[in-house]
Amino acid sequence: QVQLVQSGSELKKPGASVKVSCKSSGYTFTSYAMNWLRQAPGQGLEWMGWINTNTGNPTYTQGFTGRFVFSLDTSVSTAYLQISSLKAEDTAVYYCGRDSVWFGGSDVFDIWGQGTMVTVSS
Amino acid sequence: QAVLTQPSSLSASPGASASLTCTLRSDINVRTYRIYWYQQPPGSPPQFLLRYKSDSDKQKGSGVPSRFSGSKDASANAGILLISGLQSEDEGDYYCLVWHNSAWVFGGGTRLTVL
Repeated sequence: QVQLVQSGSELKKPGASVKVSCKSSGYTFTSYAMNWLRQAPGQGLEWMGWINTNTGNPTYTQGFTGRFVFSLDTSVSTAYLQISSLKAEDTAVYYCGRDSVWFGGSDVFDIWGQGTMVTVSS
Repeated sequence: QAVLTQPSSLSASPGASASLTCTLRSDINVRTYRIYWYQQPPGSPPQFLLRYKSDSDKQKGSGVPSRFSGSKDASANAGILLISGLQSEDEGDYYCLVWHNSAWVFGGGTRLTVL
């Protein structure tokens, strides 16, 4: 079935880096863009941006530039989120979610990964 | 002022109906927006429920029960998610979403309690 499977929870110290993976299956990876979203503890959802799975071109929304990098490995249908110089306020669940809007469709976050908890603590 | 405003909580009884609102900022017109709705059960990722722009432009997610429907109240400048025949498994957080100024924007979410 169609699914996105993310890597497991991470505990990192401030200043470290983390890389979260999101592996797709059950559909053609390059037919949907991949988005990244954040949910801080007890808070709502924030859209971080998206990556074009055909070109690899990332787009970051305000507040997620500089330390955040989206990347792909299309050979294994996987998207990645890397966060560098981690801060305590980066502690959150990070989700990947696909959409087809950029490719002429109308699906928006119709499939989500299960989430990856990233904890930043000394 | 936030682009999308949702009540923080709502309680309703099993079998009753619940109307969840998503009010757009006064300078943007709900008529021109597709509004997407997501349900997040406790401890789980969000799930797509439906999108609604008009009766001719709407879509429900795969497997979403007919108890869930979308609409708009133009006079209130709001999108509405209506859940009828409430069940205990409907408890959770509900988020609305729109595309605004080249970004996806979520409402703050409504926690629905069925008791």
